[in-house]
Amino acid sequence: GQQLNQSPQSMFIQEGEDVSMNCTSSSIFNTWLWYKQDPGEGPVLLIALYKAGELTSNGRLTAQFGITRKDSFLNISASIPSDVGIYFCAGRPYNNNDMRFGAGTRLTVKP
Amino acid sequence: GAGVSQTPSNKVTEKGKYVELRCDPISGHTALYWYRQSLGQGPEFLIYFQGTGAADDSGLPNDRFFAVRPEGSVSTLKIQRTERGDSAVYLCASSPLGQVAGELFFGEGSRLTVL
Repeated sequence: GQQLNQSPQSMFIQEGEDVSMNCTSSSIFNTWLWYKQDPGEGPVLLIALYKAGELTSNGRLTAQFGITRKDSFLNISASIPSDVGIYFCAGRPYNNNDMRFGAGTRLTVKP
Repeated sequence: GAGVSQTPSNKVTEKGKYVELRCDPISGHTALYWYRQSLGQGPEFLIYFQGTGAADDSGLPNDRFFAVRPEGSVSTLKIQRTERGDSAVYLCASSPLGQVAGELFFGEGSRLTVL
């Protein structure tokens, strides 16, 4: 199936710093989603993007659907300790019903 | 219930045994997905249901894996002749929409350990 490349694999930052992570695909996607997963829990949706070029914010989180439809990024501003967790990008390939996930970005925030 | 419910939350079995994992989606959600997540990895797509039918089962690794959703609500993932490599967290998600967009709402997963 389509491969999603998510980077970076992990990040160690100080509280208050901004964070950026991204996801790329070899093929066109018509939906991009960003999820956060805490230990022992299922992924929880953060932001959903449905149109190329779309830029959407949810509090301190901002995500964009790349204009080429093959990439997306997630920014977190002014990080806080509760931002710790694993962030996954997910995308729905064009002409396909399933949702593919990246390998995740593990975020650690030092107080 | 308010969210996606999965049972059991933990299952330990011996190699070669048969296992069933159950998913109760959010009421009214027509789409249901099964994923498998290994440690340190993202969820790996297994199968997608739209209503009662499997719309896409291309992610099932082999014929030991099978899933059903007979009444378009609850789904069961069945694994025959389990192998140690089947050990993982099996996640279920539901979505109010099928083919068009659709955000996935996940359960907490069923952790399967094959000894």
